[in-house]
Amino acid sequence: GAVVSQHPSWVICKSGTSVKIECRSLDFQATTMFWYRQFPKQSLMLMATSNEGSKATYEQGVEKDKFLINHASLTLSTLTVTSAHPEDSSFYICSASPAGKPYEQYFGPGTRLTVT
Amino acid sequence: QKEVEQDPGPLSVPEGAIVSLNCTYSNSAFQYFMWYRQYSRKGPELLMYTYSSGNKEDGRFTAQVDKSSKYISLFIRDSQPSDSATYLCAMSVSYYGGSQGNLIFGKGTKLSVKP
Repeated sequence: GAVVSQHPSWVICKSGTSVKIECRSLDFQATTMFWYRQFPKQSLMLMATSNEGSKATYEQGVEKDKFLINHASLTLSTLTVTSAHPEDSSFYICSASPAGKPYEQYFGPGTRLTVT
Repeated sequence: QKEVEQDPGPLSVPEGAIVSLNCTYSNSAFQYFMWYRQYSRKGPELLMYTYSSGNKEDGRFTAQVDKSSKYISLFIRDSQPSDSATYLCAMSVSYYGGSQGNLIFGKGTKLSVKP
């Protein structure tokens, strides 16, 4: 149980284009989903928290207009990287907390984004 | 001083060895402590979580929290090559994740268990 999927697992896009990454909780309802970014050999850095049906809360330094997050349902959250630039190339990972268990975060397999 | 410090390793041990992984932290308000395992190019997998001080055991894994020393440990008994991965500690102030008490991760310790 507690499986989280992400799609796509790997994407290459050209500079200036937008990319959408999906995060789904497959076997549980996730009232809260989180988006992280991880650079090689670095810690996971929280970008934003999204609760179903409400606006995402972004961490300091994360551009809201660049990283659009939508948590449309209890099983789906999306991250759209708008006007991507090479410095946005990174490993993006989502996680989800089951309803009633906010201290547990289950992570997706991650999406590797390369912007050329 | 960073909130969570974790030796990145790499740590190499022979199969069957007992592995000790550690993190120190500076924020005394942390109450929830987690250990994640991350294989290369994969998302982290929650191994264990503990609340406040004490020990918790799950199979070959034992998590220890010493709040007085601001020190947490993960022990792996009878280590296997399949345990080779990066182990991340994570901590949270409050019961809820997110910006009101989000997980703060260590950098991770890369473990290699040699057959």
